[in-house]
Amino acid sequence: NAGVMQNPRHLVRRRGQEARLRCSPMKGHSHVYWYRQLPEEGLKFMVYLQKENIIDESGMPKERFSAEFPKEGPSILRIQQVVRGDSAAYFCASSPFGLNSYNEQFFGPGTRLTVL
Amino acid sequence: TQLLEQSPQFLSIQEGENLTVYCNSSSVFSSLQWYRQEPGEGPVLLVTVVTGGEVKKLKRLTFQFGDARKDSSLHITAAQPGDTGLYLCAGVGNQGGKLIFGQGTELSVKP
Repeated sequence: NAGVMQNPRHLVRRRGQEARLRCSPMKGHSHVYWYRQLPEEGLKFMVYLQKENIIDESGMPKERFSAEFPKEGPSILRIQQVVRGDSAAYFCASSPFGLNSYNEQFFGPGTRLTVL
Repeated sequence: TQLLEQSPQFLSIQEGENLTVYCNSSSVFSSLQWYRQEPGEGPVLLVTVVTGGEVKKLKRLTFQFGDARKDSSLHITAAQPGDTGLYLCAGVGNQGGKLIFGQGTELSVKP
């Protein structure tokens, strides 16, 4: 059973360009979460999606960031007009269940975004 | 706002020593998870504790959930260099769904 897959593993963008990060959840998991890890900081929640729905986007910056999880295909985290402060490791996690107390999440290897 | 504080942030010990990492909050969590993360990789789930007072063992690692479900600890017996890594505790938020992470404990075990 393949784990959570993310691509690309490393992404370099110049200021003002767009970054697209992809995440394929584990087989059988319909809940996807995105987290950001800045240097010297812990993991911070960004957004929680279920197929075709955004459940919780309370951690997502209001501008330039968007996320989707279509009926078919991977979840996409999109960052428009990137700035240097967006440089970070972005992790995707998936779980078979969502809004319950035993919410074990399984993480992908992450995408390391560097903005020049 | 629910917060988790981990201590210590950094720990450097010799092989064979014991250590304890703490994860504390003023809030109640419905469950707490411990992860280990190596450089360049994603966090790997070690254990989930759900019941107040629960103790779980994973070989040389012992995890405990506080009676009031506000704190947890990870104890490693006879640490080995292979235990080196970033240990993260994470709690399930009030409304379910997202995980709230502590800042992490960077453990280095020297041979």
